[in-house]
Amino acid sequence: GESVGLHLPTLSVQEGDNSIINCAYSNSASDYFIWYKQESGKGPQFIIDIRSNMDKRQGQRVTVLLNKTVKHLSLQIAATQPGDSAVYFCAENLNQGAQKLVFGQGTRLTINP
Amino acid sequence: EAGVTQFPSHSVIEKGQTVTLRCDPISGHDNLYWYRRVMGKEIKFLLHFVKESKQDESGMPNNRFLAERTGGTYSTLKVQPAELEDSGVYFCASSLGTSQTDTQYFGPGTRLTVL
Repeated sequence: GESVGLHLPTLSVQEGDNSIINCAYSNSASDYFIWYKQESGKGPQFIIDIRSNMDKRQGQRVTVLLNKTVKHLSLQIAATQPGDSAVYFCAENLNQGAQKLVFGQGTRLTINP
Repeated sequence: EAGVTQFPSHSVIEKGQTVTLRCDPISGHDNLYWYRRVMGKEIKFLLHFVKESKQDESGMPNNRFLAERTGGTYSTLKVQPAELEDSGVYFCASSLGTSQTDTQYFGPGTRLTVL
């Protein structure tokens, strides 16, 4: 079956440090992945995406790495800020004629002052 | 530009009652999705509309759930009769196109509590 999961449910880092959030997926045919951020009381917000023909993609303070060999995805956030505190989800779009997203369980990131 | 909006933000009902959730997508977005997150579990896909047509309803849990999108604008999700296990947060999302890389923009969700 298809599944996208996260290694750690919670992560705490000091403000200014870098953080890494990990995600494992099981469908080797998956070719598109997205990271979402969900703040309290809000819906998931798109952060960054990556296609399977890439192994790295950078945005503003965020980098997504994809390792297709071990079916692993990670989100790196540089110089964390208090506003980065949220739950982060990885999601997989299987593109099997439909656009449904398959989400992982989520990792709660807490930035300590 | 307004984002995806959902109403109500919270709903508390008793088992056996009916609840209707509403989603207004971003203007011009033909694609509308429903997802839900039940306690302690991941966000799961329910269904996908393209305009007023159901493109994929493979995630709908059972026939107590009915989604509509008459006119291809806003959508409603009705749960009748509600059961305890229906409690959770129901998210709506919309996207402009149907390509794999078309971003799905999520609303704030409706928190449903069934007592």
